[in-house]
Amino acid sequence: DIVMTQTPLSLSVTPGQSASISCKSSQSLLHPNGKTYLYWYLQKPGQPPQLLIYEVSNRFSGVPDRFSGSGSGTDFTLKISRVEAEDVGIYYCMEITQLPYTFGQGTKLEIK
Amino acid sequence: EVLLVESGGGLVKPGGSLRLSCSASGFTFSITWMSWFRQAPGKGLEWVGRIKSKSAGGTTDFPAPVKGRFTISRDDSKNTLYLQMNSLKTEDTAVYYCATDVYVWGQGTLVTVSS
Repeated sequence: DIVMTQTPLSLSVTPGQSASISCKSSQSLLHPNGKTYLYWYLQKPGQPPQLLIYEVSNRFSGVPDRFSGSGSGTDFTLKISRVEAEDVGIYYCMEITQLPYTFGQGTKLEIK
Repeated sequence: EVLLVESGGGLVKPGGSLRLSCSASGFTFSITWMSWFRQAPGKGLEWVGRIKSKSAGGTTDFPAPVKGRFTISRDDSKNTLYLQMNSLKTEDTAVYYCATDVYVWGQGTLVTVSS
């Protein structure tokens, strides 16, 4: 199984500042078809996860452009520009390049 | 709007069985691959399995912890997804979510396995 490692596991951010979360995979997530199946979710308190970014860098429908994803191979980053109070929750990366789908441990974002 | 509503959760004894349902609307269910995920209390997310669309073969895939105990099926005429869970263990206690493969998730249903 591919192991997904997120850092940091928690971060506290002042509103208006930016935040970055790293996700590293134990194997390359580049699929033979040329796509990289790396996803980012936000789970707000008491809610199911909501998709933010699919295939490394594509924002899902309705996701603000403050959220951006980048990376390739085994190293990926989610960046949140101008953090807002509504961004609190736990962020997860997930890969589906290889079965089984696997998640990172999650990164808890709090607002200062 | 895509809407997924899970049902069927509850309390079951170890070794017991339970079937979860996921009612789907707002998209073309029959051509959509569907997945189940779960989240144990206070823990992270775990993929439980998926079923491809019938046009893609309708086959299922599962991770090792549930393989051989869980099955996934779909009724495209009813826009409904199912998760049959057998030989349940205490470690299967979790909120179970259905999802349009990986994109949109339902609100979840709680399964508690306890004697």
